[in-house]
Amino acid sequence: EAGVTQFPSHSVIEKGQTVTLRCDPISGHDNLYWYRRVMGKEIKFLLHFVKESKQDESGMPNNRFLAERTGGTYSTLKVQPAELEDSGVYFCASSQERTVAYEQYFGPGTRLTVT
Amino acid sequence: DAKTTQPTSMDCAEGRAANLPCNHSTISGNEYVYWYRQIHSQGPQYIIHGLKNNETNEMASLIITEDRKSSTLILPHATLRDTAVYYCIVRVGPGTGANNLFFGTGTRLTVIP
Repeated sequence: EAGVTQFPSHSVIEKGQTVTLRCDPISGHDNLYWYRRVMGKEIKFLLHFVKESKQDESGMPNNRFLAERTGGTYSTLKVQPAELEDSGVYFCASSQERTVAYEQYFGPGTRLTVT
Repeated sequence: DAKTTQPTSMDCAEGRAANLPCNHSTISGNEYVYWYRQIHSQGPQYIIHGLKNNETNEMASLIITEDRKSSTLILPHATLRDTAVYYCIVRVGPGTGANNLFFGTGTRLTVIP
Protein backbone atom coordinates (compact mmCIF):
# COMPACT_ATOMS: atom_id res chain seq x y z
CA GLU A 1 0.00 0.00 0.00
CA ALA A 2 1.43 3.35 -1.02
CA GLY A 3 1.83 5.90 1.73
CA VAL A 4 1.04 9.58 1.74
CA THR A 5 3.04 11.34 -0.92
CA GLN A 6 3.87 15.00 -1.21
CA PHE A 7 5.22 17.06 -4.06
CA PRO A 8 7.59 18.75 -4.35
CA SER A 9 9.98 17.60 -1.67
CA HIS A 10 11.71 20.96 -1.72
CA SER A 11 10.74 24.36 -3.06
CA VAL A 12 12.73 27.56 -3.05
CA ILE A 13 10.87 30.68 -4.11
CA GLU A 14 11.26 34.41 -3.75
CA LYS A 15 9.11 36.55 -1.53
CA GLY A 16 5.96 37.55 -3.35
CA GLN A 17 5.85 34.50 -5.58
CA THR A 18 3.23 31.77 -5.53
CA VAL A 19 3.82 28.14 -4.60
CA THR A 20 1.45 25.19 -4.73
CA LEU A 21 2.07 22.11 -2.66
CA ARG A 22 0.39 18.84 -3.44
CA CYS A 23 -0.58 15.93 -1.23
CA ASP A 24 -1.82 12.52 -2.29
CA PRO A 25 -3.36 10.68 0.65
CA ILE A 26 -3.54 6.95 1.10
CA SER A 27 -6.21 5.56 -1.18
CA GLY A 28 -9.56 5.32 0.58
CA HIS A 29 -8.70 7.77 3.34
CA ASP A 30 -11.45 10.36 3.65
CA ASN A 31 -9.60 12.52 6.16
CA LEU A 32 -6.76 14.70 4.97
CA TYR A 33 -4.81 17.12 7.14
CA TRP A 34 -2.22 19.80 6.58
CA TYR A 35 0.35 20.71 9.24
CA ARG A 36 3.48 22.78 9.17
CA ARG A 37 6.59 23.39 11.19
CA VAL A 38 8.17 26.76 10.80
CA MET A 39 11.78 27.21 11.85
CA GLY A 40 12.34 26.47 15.51
CA LYS A 41 8.68 26.02 16.29
CA GLU A 42 6.38 23.11 16.98
CA ILE A 43 4.37 21.25 14.37
CA LYS A 44 1.10 23.12 13.99
CA PHE A 45 -2.22 22.03 12.54
CA LEU A 46 -3.46 24.01 9.53
CA LEU A 47 -6.67 22.37 8.34
CA HIS A 48 -8.64 19.19 7.97
CA PHE A 49 -10.68 17.89 5.04
CA VAL A 50 -13.30 15.21 5.17
CA LYS A 51 -13.55 14.11 1.58
CA GLU A 52 -13.83 17.39 -0.34
CA SER A 53 -15.22 19.45 2.54
CA LYS A 54 -13.21 21.57 4.93
CA GLN A 55 -14.01 20.24 8.38
CA ASP A 56 -11.72 22.55 10.30
CA GLU A 57 -9.53 25.33 8.95
CA SER A 58 -8.90 27.03 12.26
CA GLY A 59 -5.14 26.69 11.92
CA MET A 60 -4.78 28.51 8.61
CA PRO A 61 -2.59 31.53 9.39
CA ASN A 62 -4.12 34.03 6.97
CA ASN A 63 -5.84 34.44 3.64
CA ARG A 64 -2.63 34.01 1.71
CA PHE A 65 -3.11 30.27 2.22
CA LEU A 66 -5.69 28.41 0.16
CA ALA A 67 -6.31 24.69 0.41
CA GLU A 68 -8.43 22.65 -1.94
CA ARG A 69 -9.39 19.03 -2.29
CA THR A 70 -11.46 18.76 -5.42
CA GLY A 71 -13.10 15.37 -5.83
CA GLY A 72 -12.02 14.30 -2.39
CA THR A 73 -8.76 12.78 -3.57
CA TYR A 74 -5.53 14.76 -3.64
CA SER A 75 -5.20 18.16 -2.03
CA THR A 76 -3.29 21.31 -2.86
CA LEU A 77 -2.10 24.06 -0.59
CA LYS A 78 -1.36 27.33 -2.33
CA VAL A 79 0.56 30.17 -0.76
CA GLN A 80 0.07 33.45 -2.57
CA PRO A 81 1.99 35.68 -2.17
CA ALA A 82 4.65 33.90 -0.15
CA GLU A 83 6.35 35.71 2.73
CA LEU A 84 9.63 34.98 4.49
CA GLU A 85 7.84 33.67 7.59
CA ASP A 86 6.14 30.98 5.49
CA SER A 87 9.42 29.07 5.28
CA GLY A 88 9.24 25.70 6.94
CA VAL A 89 8.20 22.12 6.39
CA TYR A 90 4.62 21.41 5.34
CA PHE A 91 3.27 17.99 6.23
CA CYS A 92 0.20 16.28 4.93
CA ALA A 93 -1.48 13.39 6.72
CA SER A 94 -4.45 11.16 6.07
CA SER A 95 -6.61 8.81 8.07
CA GLN A 96 -9.61 6.61 7.57
CA GLU A 97 -13.02 7.81 8.62
CA ARG A 98 -14.12 6.45 11.98
CA THR A 99 -10.68 5.11 12.70
CA VAL A 100 -10.34 3.87 16.23
CA ALA A 101 -7.19 5.77 16.84
CA TYR A 102 -5.86 9.02 15.53
CA GLU A 103 -3.56 6.96 13.43
CA GLN A 104 -2.77 9.66 11.00
CA TYR A 105 -0.30 8.68 8.35
CA PHE A 106 2.08 11.47 7.50
CA GLY A 107 3.86 12.20 4.30
CA PRO A 108 7.55 13.11 4.18
CA GLY A 109 6.78 16.81 3.98
CA THR A 110 7.61 19.63 1.59
CA ARG A 111 10.40 21.91 2.67
CA LEU A 112 9.54 25.44 1.58
CA THR A 113 12.16 28.15 1.58
CA VAL A 114 11.11 31.71 0.84
CA THR A 115 14.04 34.04 0.10
CA ASP B 1 -7.35 19.52 25.37
CA ALA B 2 -5.22 18.49 28.29
CA LYS B 3 -1.68 19.79 28.35
CA THR B 4 1.21 17.35 28.42
CA THR B 5 4.65 17.72 29.97
CA GLN B 6 7.63 15.74 28.72
CA PRO B 7 11.35 15.92 29.43
CA THR B 8 13.22 17.81 26.76
CA SER B 9 15.74 15.07 26.07
CA MET B 10 16.82 11.60 27.11
CA ASP B 11 19.59 9.18 26.27
CA CYS B 12 19.33 5.42 26.12
CA ALA B 13 21.94 2.74 25.49
CA GLU B 14 21.37 0.61 22.42
CA GLY B 15 19.62 -2.64 23.30
CA ARG B 16 18.24 -1.33 26.55
CA ALA B 17 14.68 -0.31 27.25
CA ALA B 18 13.81 3.32 26.68
CA ASN B 19 11.20 4.65 29.09
CA LEU B 20 9.71 7.98 28.06
CA PRO B 21 7.48 9.67 30.65
CA CYS B 22 4.59 12.03 30.04
CA ASN B 23 2.54 13.97 32.55
CA HIS B 24 -1.04 14.85 31.72
CA SER B 25 -2.55 15.70 35.07
CA THR B 26 -5.54 17.57 33.60
CA ILE B 27 -6.65 14.74 31.32
CA SER B 28 -10.40 14.27 31.17
CA GLY B 29 -12.37 11.06 31.02
CA ASN B 30 -12.90 11.02 27.27
CA GLU B 31 -9.34 11.87 26.30
CA TYR B 32 -6.93 9.34 24.89
CA VAL B 33 -3.15 9.33 25.15
CA TYR B 34 -1.37 9.08 21.80
CA TRP B 35 2.30 8.77 21.05
CA TYR B 36 3.93 9.80 17.82
CA ARG B 37 7.55 10.18 16.88
CA GLN B 38 9.44 12.09 14.26
CA ILE B 39 12.67 10.71 12.95
CA HIS B 40 14.90 13.38 11.48
CA SER B 41 13.66 14.70 8.12
CA GLN B 42 10.65 12.40 8.05
CA GLY B 43 6.98 12.95 8.77
CA PRO B 44 5.60 12.09 12.20
CA GLN B 45 4.82 8.42 12.75
CA TYR B 46 2.05 6.99 14.91
CA ILE B 47 3.30 4.63 17.62
CA ILE B 48 0.53 3.69 20.00
CA HIS B 49 -2.51 5.00 21.85
CA GLY B 50 -4.52 4.16 24.96
CA LEU B 51 -7.42 5.28 27.10
CA LYS B 52 -6.90 3.68 30.48
CA ASN B 53 -5.56 0.18 29.98
CA ASN B 54 -1.95 -0.62 29.22
CA GLU B 55 -1.36 -1.28 25.56
CA THR B 56 1.29 -3.10 23.58
CA ASN B 57 1.97 -3.40 19.89
CA GLU B 58 4.91 -4.37 17.73
CA MET B 59 6.61 -1.04 18.29
CA ALA B 60 6.12 -0.21 21.94
CA SER B 61 4.20 -0.52 25.17
CA LEU B 62 2.13 2.19 26.80
CA ILE B 63 1.70 2.18 30.54
CA ILE B 64 -1.00 4.52 31.88
CA THR B 65 -1.26 5.11 35.62
CA GLU B 66 -4.50 4.22 37.33
CA ASP B 67 -5.43 7.86 37.85
CA ARG B 68 -4.50 8.50 34.19
CA LYS B 69 -2.46 11.55 35.12
CA SER B 70 0.71 10.21 33.62
CA SER B 71 1.95 7.58 31.22
CA THR B 72 5.16 5.97 30.03
CA LEU B 73 6.07 4.86 26.55
CA ILE B 74 8.41 1.90 26.59
CA LEU B 75 10.61 0.87 23.69
CA PRO B 76 11.74 -2.55 24.94
CA HIS B 77 15.00 -2.83 23.02
CA ALA B 78 16.06 0.52 21.66
CA THR B 79 18.02 0.62 18.42
CA LEU B 80 19.88 3.45 16.77
CA ARG B 81 16.92 3.86 14.42
CA ASP B 82 14.74 4.79 17.39
CA THR B 83 16.60 8.07 17.76
CA ALA B 84 13.83 10.62 17.23
CA VAL B 85 11.61 13.20 18.89
CA TYR B 86 8.73 11.51 20.71
CA TYR B 87 5.45 13.33 21.20
CA CYS B 88 2.86 12.55 23.84
CA ILE B 89 -0.52 13.91 22.74
CA VAL B 90 -3.75 13.93 24.70
CA ARG B 91 -6.86 14.24 22.62
CA VAL B 92 -10.52 13.38 22.61
CA GLY B 93 -11.52 10.28 20.72
CA PRO B 94 -12.71 10.14 17.10
CA GLY B 95 -16.26 11.02 16.19
CA THR B 96 -16.14 14.19 18.24
CA GLY B 97 -15.42 16.45 15.30
CA ALA B 98 -11.99 17.27 16.66
CA ASN B 99 -9.42 15.34 14.72
CA ASN B 100 -6.34 17.50 14.55
CA LEU B 101 -3.26 16.65 16.57
CA PHE B 102 -1.48 19.11 18.83
CA PHE B 103 2.25 18.49 18.90
CA GLY B 104 4.21 19.98 21.76
CA THR B 105 7.97 20.09 22.01
CA GLY B 106 8.31 16.37 22.69
CA THR B 107 11.26 14.41 24.06
CA ARG B 108 14.36 14.07 21.96
CA LEU B 109 15.54 10.48 22.49
CA THR B 110 19.09 9.68 21.53
CA VAL B 111 20.05 6.02 21.41
CA ILE B 112 23.73 5.64 22.09
CA PRO B 113 25.80 2.79 20.61
